[in-house]
Amino acid sequence: SQQGEEDPQALSIQEGENATMNCSYKTSINNLQWYRQNSGRGLVHLILIRSNEREKHSGRLRVTLDTSKKSSSLLITASRAADTASYFCATVDNQAGTALIFGKGTTLSVSS
Amino acid sequence: GAGVSQSPSNKVTEKGKDVELRCDPISGHTALYWYRQSLGQGLEFLIYFQGNSAPDKSGLPSDRFSAERTGGSVSTLTIQRTQQEDSAVYLCASSLAQGRAGELFFGEGSRLTVL
Repeated sequence: SQQGEEDPQALSIQEGENATMNCSYKTSINNLQWYRQNSGRGLVHLILIRSNEREKHSGRLRVTLDTSKKSSSLLITASRAADTASYFCATVDNQAGTALIFGKGTTLSVSS
Repeated sequence: GAGVSQSPSNKVTEKGKDVELRCDPISGHTALYWYRQSLGQGLEFLIYFQGNSAPDKSGLPSDRFSAERTGGSVSTLTIQRTQQEDSAVYLCASSLAQGRAGELFFGEGSRLTVL
């Protein structure tokens, strides 16, 4: 079952610009995580935000969480060509789940 | 090892054959997950292990799929009588967290192609 849905599906920007990706989910959650996947590779954990947090920063990453709207956003500031990858949000359904369920991802392309 | 190790990295098989995919998690990680990723798609949850038991196998798509974990470490995902729709990248992840929703550490995946 689909828990997280990212938006947009694809995003193309120039180096130096900011990239914003959104994630919506359906049920109550304990936390929400963002992962990155370079083409043909495994996923790498970027950041985890707990349900009682509203905003979190890590380097050039800023994540927000709005539990009332069941949505999160990932902002990458001053993007670089090396940020080109797919980005996934993932959550666990507090009621029913035991595993992280991932969305289909946003494919980010940063051109120099 | 330093990270999650999966083998083989690539497997091409004929329809109807059985395949085994192996995952060696990070030492000490009690939680282990299998996911499947079809081309250009997100991750589809298959099964979750806590230690050697599988409290959640709800994502296994059919009874042709099975998985086991021994010694609280290595896990094997077996697909019997493979079909073309089984072609995908099978990703394994492990976590230190007891229970759900901890940070996952992923392997590089096993790419399965069924001809």
